[in-house]
Amino acid sequence: KAGVTQTPRYLIKTRGQQVTLSCSPISGHRSVSWYQQTPGQGLQFLFEYFSETQRNKGNFPGRFSGRQFSNSRSEMNVSTLELGDSALYLCASSLARGSGQTQYFGPGTRLLVL
Amino acid sequence: AQRVTQPEKLLSVFKGAPVELKCNYSYSGSPELFWYVQYSRQRLQLLLRHISRESIKGFTADLNKGETSFHLKKPFAQEEDSAMYYCALISRGGAQKLVFGQGTRLTINP
Repeated sequence: KAGVTQTPRYLIKTRGQQVTLSCSPISGHRSVSWYQQTPGQGLQFLFEYFSETQRNKGNFPGRFSGRQFSNSRSEMNVSTLELGDSALYLCASSLARGSGQTQYFGPGTRLLVL
Repeated sequence: AQRVTQPEKLLSVFKGAPVELKCNYSYSGSPELFWYVQYSRQRLQLLLRHISRESIKGFTADLNKGETSFHLKKPFAQEEDSAMYYCALISRGGAQKLVFGQGTRLTINP
C-alpha cells in the first residue's frame, strides 16, 4: 500500500498570504490528523478529522483551518500567514478512531514564510 | 494537562553499550504511550507502543504508572539506532491526538 502523501513538499510564501496544504491518507484510512513541527515548540497537534468532521482542534488561532473530503483526503489552510507559521506540517492517518490505532505519518510539507 | 517530558535533548553512547531514553508523562487517566522514531531523511514512524508489549529492533519500553514513566531501553546499541526519538501519549477514548515530547537525538558512536 502506498503511504501517506503530502503535497506540496516545499512552499515559500510571504506574510499576509494564505496557503493550502494537502494530505492523502493510506487507502482505507478514515482518520487524518495534522501536526506542526518547529524547532522551538516541537510537534504540536493541529486538528483531527474523521468522516469529514473535525473531531478535535489544538491550541492554534482561527487562521488555521482544515477539512476532510468524502474520500478521506484532507486539506489544511492557513490564512494571513505570519513569520512564525514557518514550520514542517505533518499529516498522519489511521484506520479509525479509538484505542489501539496506529498513526502513520507523511513526509511533511515544509512551509517558509518570508 | 497532558504533558510528555523527555529530559535529554541529546544522548551519545558507544556501539554495544546499553541505551536508555527517558520519558515521563503527566496525564489524569490512563493514556496509551508510544515511541516514535525518525531516522535521517525518513518520515516519523512508530517504534513501539505500550499496549502491544513487543520488542522492536531490540528496543523495549515498560510503562511504570507509579512513576508515570515510559523509558525506552536497548541492551546493546547499534550504529543504525542513531536517530531522533519521540515519546508520545494519546488519551483513550477515540481522539487521534498525539501529545509529543520534545525528542531525544540519539547518536551511536562506533
